[in-house]
Amino acid sequence: GAVVSQHPSWVICKSGTSVKIECRSLDFQATTMFWYRQFPKQSLMLMATSNEGSKATYEQGVEKDKFLINHASLTLSTLTVTSAHPEDSSFYICSASQGANNSPLHFGNGTRLTVT
Amino acid sequence: RKEVEQDPGPFNVPEGATVAFNCTYSNSASQSFFWYRQDCRKEPKLLMSVYSSGNEDGRFTAQLNRASQYISLLIRDSKLSDSATYLCVVNDFGRDDKIIFGKGTRLHILP
Repeated sequence: GAVVSQHPSWVICKSGTSVKIECRSLDFQATTMFWYRQFPKQSLMLMATSNEGSKATYEQGVEKDKFLINHASLTLSTLTVTSAHPEDSSFYICSASQGANNSPLHFGNGTRLTVT
Repeated sequence: RKEVEQDPGPFNVPEGATVAFNCTYSNSASQSFFWYRQDCRKEPKLLMSVYSSGNEDGRFTAQLNRASQYISLLIRDSKLSDSATYLCVVNDFGRDDKIIFGKGTRLHILP
């Protein structure tokens, strides 16, 4: 089945630093990838839709200058949390679809970010 | 009306019992539907797609009711390992390329 790899699985960083999270589709090409955030005991929240070769589409309330998304190839999207603060501590998950409108999403295994 | 709604639960069900929960969606033009399972502190994993004619995978049965705009998931002979949060996902690619998650239903299987 389709595999999406996300790296790193967990990261601890200091306030003010930036953290980059990678999301790769290993055995298929993904023109669109999605980035989610999940706080404890809450549901997944879509942050942005990452489009290969073009700018990401951000959901309302998500700062595009803080959460930089780059989708440089059909198999890689990156999310950079800039100037991280403790309130950015969360579980970040990427997902990708194989392309057809009725294809399910395949998720990376998530990145647990802790900002101290 | 919210785009996708689920009863958050928790559903506390004894092992071996049958449990079912629904998910309602607001957009009648929604195209495809899925059930995902999410374990605590893990990413969601696809449980099953939901087809118009209904589909079954072992102990799990998914159904779609377009007239009433809901999908359902039935779990028979529940196991302790079925304890998880079950997320309903609706693809609205025909409208703004949206993938919409329900907030999930928490299921606890009791020994």
